[in-house]
Amino acid sequence: GNSVTQMEGPVTLSEEAFLTINCTYTATGYPSLFWYVQYPGEGLQLLLKATKADDKGSNKGFEATYRKETTSFHLEKGSVQVSDSAVYFCALFNFGNEKLTFGTGTRLTIIP
Amino acid sequence: DAGVIQSPRHEVTEMGQEVTLRCKPISGHNSLFWYRQTMMRGLELLIYFNNNVPIDDSGMPEDRFSAKMPNASFSTLKIQPSEPRDSAVYFCASSLVQGAQIYGYTFGSGTRLTVV
Repeated sequence: GNSVTQMEGPVTLSEEAFLTINCTYTATGYPSLFWYVQYPGEGLQLLLKATKADDKGSNKGFEATYRKETTSFHLEKGSVQVSDSAVYFCALFNFGNEKLTFGTGTRLTIIP
Repeated sequence: DAGVIQSPRHEVTEMGQEVTLRCKPISGHNSLFWYRQTMMRGLELLIYFNNNVPIDDSGMPEDRFSAKMPNASFSTLKIQPSEPRDSAVYFCASSLVQGAQIYGYTFGSGTRLTVV
C-alpha cells in the first residue's frame, strides 16, 4: 500500500537558517507528491506539489524535488522566517485512490 | 471561490448531546473527506465520499459517528451521543479527481469541538 514517512519533530531553528524536512514514500507506480502547511488555528493549505519524477515544486521560497530513485520529496528553504513556524505535512496521491496519504506532520518553530 | 466552508467554527457541548458538523465543498469537486485532528493521534481520515457515495468509512471510530452527503454541495458529520474523548478539530476537505490526477485537495478551516 501507500505510505509516507516524515522526519520526527519538533524542529527548532533560528531565523535565516537553512531548512530541510525529510520525506520518503512507499507507493506503486507514479504517485503525485505534495507538501501541505498548517498554521496555528487553521486548516491545511497546499504549499507545493510535483507530479512526476525530477519535477521541482516551489512556493514562498520553499522547494522540493521528486526523486524517484530515492523515493523522496524533501522540503527545503534557504532562509526561514518566524512566519514559517507551522506544521508541515508530506502527502502522496496514487491512481486508483481518491484520497491523499499523509505523513504524520513535522512541527517547525523559528526563533528570532 | 469561497473555498470549503465548515460550520460551526467552535462547538462546546455536554457529554451525551448530539453534535452535527456541516461542510460545503468547493463547487465542481467530486470527492469529500472528513478528518479529525488531535495532539495524541494526529490527522485521521474518518470517511470519504465520491460523487456523494460513501467509499471508505473504516476510519469512523464507532457507531456513534455517522456521515451523510445528501447532495454535491453539502455534507454532515454527526456524533450521537458525544463523549469527552471526541474533543478534537474536525476538518472537511474536497477535491476533484479526474483519471490519474487530483486537483485542488482543499481543506476547510475546521470545527473545534469540545465535549465537557
